[in-house]
Amino acid sequence: GDSVTQMEGPVTLSEEAFLTINCTYTATGYPSLFWYVQYPGEGLQLLLKATKADDKGSNKGFEATYRKETTSFHLEKGSVQVSDSAVYFCALSDYSGAGSYQLTFGKGTKLSVIP
Amino acid sequence: DSGVTQTPKHLITATGQRVTLRCSPRSGDLSVYWYQQSLDQGLQFLIQYYNGEERAKGNILERFSAQQFPDLHSELNLSSLELGDSALYFCASNPVVDANYGYTFGSGTRLTVV
Repeated sequence: GDSVTQMEGPVTLSEEAFLTINCTYTATGYPSLFWYVQYPGEGLQLLLKATKADDKGSNKGFEATYRKETTSFHLEKGSVQVSDSAVYFCALSDYSGAGSYQLTFGKGTKLSVIP
Repeated sequence: DSGVTQTPKHLITATGQRVTLRCSPRSGDLSVYWYQQSLDQGLQFLIQYYNGEERAKGNILERFSAQQFPDLHSELNLSSLELGDSALYFCASNPVVDANYGYTFGSGTRLTVV
């Protein structure tokens, strides 16, 4: 089946550092790709998405580009803040038949930003 | 507040018992998804309902079952509980069955089996 592989964490960065979290996927079709963020004690929140090749999703200074040729969707931010400390999940939409889709998630990457 | 409401927030129960987790989707959303989040397995898809009907099953154990009611709220029933069932259980919703839609997640129910 389809799957998502994320870089293992935890990742610790100083404030204002550049962030990259790698994500690659395996899919038989052409999935939509997503990044979700989970703050401590909360549910997952949609951060950004891209629905076709070469699309760039962006939100709150985070960006990710859907690269079909490398089956990747790496998350980047130019200058992280302490408030960005969270767990980040890469996900793809997975067709399960009967017209239904579910999201398949990577294992998550924990980011800690220190002042 | 995401608009998806899960109750209870925390649940502690003994092995062998049965519990029911409840989810109210965001207003207007017809699809409900249940996920289990554990440290070793990550986020695992359990089951999906759309407008009252089961649409897809993932890695859901036979001891687990779910349903979606006419008012669209959903319940996840876990029975003959084992220590390994301890996890965070998330409900998510979206308005349509569409690959391009993301989900709106609730804040989860933390189940501890002792």
